[in-house]
Amino acid sequence: DTEVTQTPKHLVMGMTNKKSLKCEQHMGHRAMYWYKQKAKKPPELMFVYSYEKLSINESVPSRFSPECPNSSLLNLHLHALQPEDSALYLCASSQVDMGLAGRNEQFFGPGTRLTVL
Amino acid sequence: AQSVAQPEDQVNVAEGNPLTVKCTYSVSGNPYLFWYVQYPNRGLQFLLKYITGDNLVKGSYGFEAEFNKSQTSFHLKKPSALVSDSALYFCAVGWINKFYFGSGTKLNVKP
Repeated sequence: DTEVTQTPKHLVMGMTNKKSLKCEQHMGHRAMYWYKQKAKKPPELMFVYSYEKLSINESVPSRFSPECPNSSLLNLHLHALQPEDSALYLCASSQVDMGLAGRNEQFFGPGTRLTVL
Repeated sequence: AQSVAQPEDQVNVAEGNPLTVKCTYSVSGNPYLFWYVQYPNRGLQFLLKYITGDNLVKGSYGFEAEFNKSQTSFHLKKPSALVSDSALYFCAVGWINKFYFGSGTKLNVKP
């Protein structure tokens, strides 16, 4: 199974709502990532988990809260978002070799299209 | 700091003609270089990578890329373009546990 799944595909939420994005992979990858992507722009890294521990937070506002319950699952909890947070949220995973994930290709999910009203 | 540049926002090519999408990089140490393709409203799909070894790397869907250390380039190529190759292409460099993406190049293949 070489697939990364993400749910939901689409999400519309108000600025006072709390919601969660989910990501799952069964490739045995030990690095997992959250990216935010605006239209026709490159993905912007938000968080990196390595061996289920948060290793990189790219100064993301606290209204985004990541969680890695186990090696296959990655969640992104959303609270009090702003309209400018509307974007495609991509999850990705990759192997870790010799302590380095950057040597290996990432497998991306199809993304969650988030609209904040 | 690590970085990737894709100098062309858009590349237009006729079906059947060869295509090149350009990428240059700046990285500390050995470069781990990748190409991804993204179709509308989809995630990124891995095409190919260079880690070490042969400078010409072959990947999915007939794409290949040439690593040139002296020019710090990793251009994506295909001998004969298809209309279905029309998409957004990203070059990326891996470093430790992060990936740095170029700004993307929109490839338009016209029949």
